[in-house]
Parts: sequence; C-alpha cells; structure tokens
Amino acid sequence: EAGVAQSPRYKIIEKRQSVAFWCNPISGHATLYWYQQILGQGPKLLIQFQNNGVVDDSQLPKDRFSAERLKGVDSTLKIQPAKLEDSAVYLCASSQGLAYYEQYFGPGTRLTVT
Amino acid sequence: AQTVTQSQPEMSVQEAETVTLSCTYDTSESNYYLFWYKQPPSRQMILVIRQEAYKQQNATENRFSVNFQKAAKSFSLKFSDSQLGDTAMYFCAFMRATNAGKSTFGDGTTLTVKP
Repeated sequence: EAGVAQSPRYKIIEKRQSVAFWCNPISGHATLYWYQQILGQGPKLLIQFQNNGVVDDSQLPKDRFSAERLKGVDSTLKIQPAKLEDSAVYLCASSQGLAYYEQYFGPGTRLTVT
Repeated sequence: AQTVTQSQPEMSVQEAETVTLSCTYDTSESNYYLFWYKQPPSRQMILVIRQEAYKQQNATENRFSVNFQKAAKSFSLKFSDSQLGDTAMYFCAFMRATNAGKSTFGDGTTLTVKP
C-alpha cells in the first residue's frame, strides 16, 4: 500500500513570494490533515478535511494561508505572501475517517523563507 | 483547549538500556485518546502506541508500554532493550474522542541511543 505522498520535499523562497505544497493521501482515506512543524516544536494542526469539506481550520492564518481538497482526494496548501516565520516543515497526514484515529504521515515539505 | 507537555527536551541512553519518556496533559474532556509518535531523523512520523482514556489497562506494543495515570493526567512511554534505531524525536499527542483526528502534540523529546 502506497503511503502519503508530498511534494516538493524542499523549497526555498524569498519573503513575500508565494508557494504551494501538494499532498496525495493513502487511497481510500477520507480525512486529510495539514500540520506546520516549526523546528524544535511539535506539529500544529492547520486544517483538517473530511472528504472535500473542512472540519477544522481554526489555526489556519487565513490572511495568507489557503487550502483545498478538490474531489476529496489530493490537497494543496498555499502560502501567499510568505513571511520569515513560515519557515517550517509542512506535514500532511491522512486517516480512514473521523472515527479512525490512526494518522499516517507523509515525509513533509521543508520550507525556508529568506 | 488541550495542552501537552513533555518536560524532557533531550535524553541520551546507552544501547540496551531502558528508556522512560514523560508526558503530562491538561484537558477537561473525559473521553480521549493519547498517543506516542516516533519521528526518526529525516524520516516520516509513525505511530508507536495509543491509549484509550476509558481503558484502565495500560497499552503495550512489543517492546513498548505506557504508564497511563488518568487522575494525574500523566502518560509516560517505556521501552526496554533500546537500540540504535530508536534514535528519534518522540512526540506525545492528545486527541478528543468527540472530534476524532484533531490532535494536540507536545514539543517532543529528542532521544539518542549510543553504542
């Protein structure tokens, strides 16, 4: 069974530029999560989807971050414009559904904003 | 809001020693799940063990076991016969049972197993 795929693995941009990350969850997994992991900290949930609907986006900085999950499969997370403090690893995870508590994580995208 | 605290930022042990990682949490929920995740260097995060709050029995998974003290809101991970491959960051996480999937993570403990 293929795991959670993410791309790119690394990205370096200048502040005020925009960037997009892509995630492909495990086949059949209805729930998808985006986390931000700043160096030295634990992952912080940004947004959670159930199929193509948003379950929780209370910690998503909506003035600069956006995410979508069209057709309830792949998802894209965008930052526009980026700030220095957005430098982090962005993790995507999926689970079979809201009632299934085991999350499977992707390898992450390491973003550096200069 | 839930909080998860891991008071040991770093830990170093010799191979074959027993490791105990501590975690405390704060919540007003009565039903929830607790997890330990492992994040090896430059590798994906994986689930090590989980505990349902309504279960009194401590969870075990191969070499890994937890000491779950619900009244004290404490959830420690213990594993014996540590190996070089156990070198990783370990995260304690909390998840409400009423909104399955939204997890709150601690800031992790960096464990180094030395030969």
